[in-house]
Amino acid sequence: DTGVSQNPRHKITKRGQNVTFRCDPISEHNRLYWYRQTLGQGPEFLTYFQNEAQLEKSRLLSDRFSAERPKGSFSTLEIQRTEQGDSAMYLCASSQSVEQFFGPGTRLTVL
Amino acid sequence: RKEVEQDPGPFNVPEGATVAFNCTYSNSASQSFFWYRQDCRKEPKLLMSVYSSGNEDGRFTAQLNRASQYISLLIRDSKLSDSATYLCVVPPGAGSYQLTFGKGTKLSVIP
Repeated sequence: DTGVSQNPRHKITKRGQNVTFRCDPISEHNRLYWYRQTLGQGPEFLTYFQNEAQLEKSRLLSDRFSAERPKGSFSTLEIQRTEQGDSAMYLCASSQSVEQFFGPGTRLTVL
Repeated sequence: RKEVEQDPGPFNVPEGATVAFNCTYSNSASQSFFWYRQDCRKEPKLLMSVYSSGNEDGRFTAQLNRASQYISLLIRDSKLSDSATYLCVVPPGAGSYQLTFGKGTKLSVIP
């Protein structure tokens, strides 16, 4: 399968814990994006990388959130001191041009 | 006006019906537009791109009215498999790859 992959697919954690998600983009895609989606809403942009450079960050990305793409390939999204409001689907997408291809997402539940 | 606004529905239509979804956007600098389809608990997938006045692909027609900042998606001869949420997507303009999604319009095609 050469699509975007994300791990884990589901994560349940207790409030206050740190969590890290991984995204592996389509191999030839140099752009990688993170979005968050809650029930009844469309995906909301969080951040974007071109190769290893983080070029755009949404105001939604509080200081508890950090994303990296150290070698311009896979990316990680870390949430520190999770809060119940962080419960959502975290989607990763990659692109070579305008069309963005999404991964299956990581569903986070914060208890 | 909200950045991207869609009628949330749900639209419940019988098989074979024609259904149209509307979307308005606020950023007059946006040049290209997209309709994504999202099945329940799945990732969004690109359905159609709209760069000029419109685009047609089989049973699906997307139209753009730049003066009114309005995009529509028409589905003819609805199939059961068309049941999904349809997301209107607007990039902010040249130089940014951040996509702004509407909340989506839910379609249920009924036998």
